Amino acid sequence: GDSVTQMEGPVTLSEEAFLTINCTYTATGYPSLFWYVQYPGEGLQLLLKATKADDKGSNKGFEATYRKETTSFHLEKGSVQVSDSAVYFCALRGGSARQLTFGSGTQLTVLP
Amino acid sequence: DTAVSQTPKYLVTQMGNDKSIKCEQNLGHDTMYWYKQDSKKFLKIMFSYNNKELIINETVPNRFSPKSPDKAHLNLHINSLELGDSAVYFCASSQGGPPGNTIYFGEGSWLTVV
Repeated sequence: GDSVTQMEGPVTLSEEAFLTINCTYTATGYPSLFWYVQYPGEGLQLLLKATKADDKGSNKGFEATYRKETTSFHLEKGSVQVSDSAVYFCALRGGSARQLTFGSGTQLTVLP
Repeated sequence: DTAVSQTPKYLVTQMGNDKSIKCEQNLGHDTMYWYKQDSKKFLKIMFSYNNKELIINETVPNRFSPKSPDKAHLNLHINSLELGDSAVYFCASSQGGPPGNTIYFGEGSWLTVV
């Protein structure tokens, strides 16, 4: 079945550091890929998505590129802020599946 | 004008009680979901309805029963609550079909069973 493997956390960075959170997937067909973010005490918000190979999703300075050859969708940000502290989830929605399959989440803490 | 709203946000109850969580979406979507997030933040699909019809029913104890009175509402009823049911329950909705369509989540309902 479909699965998502996400970088283990927690990740702690200083403000303005570069962020990478690795995400790889296993799926049949051509899934769409998503990053969701969960701020403390809040629900899940869509951060960005990509629906086909080589697409780049971007939002709020975050980027991720759908790499079919490496089955990856790594999340990057050039300069993190304290307000980026949250849990980040990589997810996929397969060709025939209506639901999202999530990775285990990565806790990011950014220190001032 | 919240897109996916669920109530209550916090619920503390005793073992053995029965409780319900309500969910409504005003996005005009045809598909709704319940996800469970455990204490380690892991998210797992529980149920999904499309146009009031159950289409996903994962391995969930039959103490959990979803009900969809119309396509804008999906409620979750839990009988005989157990300590292990303590979790965050997320309602979500999407326009079903293409996998690229975004699934929108509610704010979550934090259930604590004591």
